Amino acid sequence: DADVTQTPRNRITKTGKRIMLECSQTKGHDRMYWYRQDPGLGLRLIYYSFDVKDINKGEISDGYSVSRQAQAKFSLSLESAIPNQTALYFCATRAGMGNYGYTFGSGTRLTVV
Amino acid sequence: DAKTTQPPSMDCAEGRAANLPCNHSTISGNEYVYWYRQIHSQGPQYIIHGLKNNETNEMASLIITEDRKSSTLILPHATLRDTAVYYCIVRSGGGADGLTFGKGTHLIIQP
Repeated sequence: DADVTQTPRNRITKTGKRIMLECSQTKGHDRMYWYRQDPGLGLRLIYYSFDVKDINKGEISDGYSVSRQAQAKFSLSLESAIPNQTALYFCATRAGMGNYGYTFGSGTRLTVV
Repeated sequence: DAKTTQPPSMDCAEGRAANLPCNHSTISGNEYVYWYRQIHSQGPQYIIHGLKNNETNEMASLIITEDRKSSTLILPHATLRDTAVYYCIVRSGGGADGLTFGKGTHLIIQP
């Protein structure tokens, strides 16, 4: 099984619908992140969480919300999806403080029509 | 975090060493150089990181200049599976607020 699992892998939804992307990890890491990637661009940080009670906004949090249900689970919600939220979404985890690399999931390709 | 500059694309022949440059002239003393790669829309994969000294692992070598203003990632014997976008990222080691990705270098390994 993958260390970081994202569901669904692909999703098409209509404008105005609420959608949730889920992420779970088996790394035992405290830190979890949600990124968005648009075609031809690097990843941009949406939200990140240090632990269950600590949620922080990233560079592009408008239009998104998150929930850290447990150490291993971090969900991203689009309350009312719009077409310019069509993108590839990645979840990542990292161990606590220190020079540790990030582990990324395989991504969720979201299309808003 | 310091900004980085990478060439948008590079070619390399299969079996040869691929040398990917990165400029980070504004790097500060506590910032590390990280390299990640992304193979065709998959999640980015950690490759290597370093502070001052050159580093080597099973995937690659990282050469950092003495003034730390630039670095080179070396894939010693490139294969077709190394075709990917390679990201050079500079950040402080203790930070926890995620990585800042630029556009990276699209490395194409030619058969």
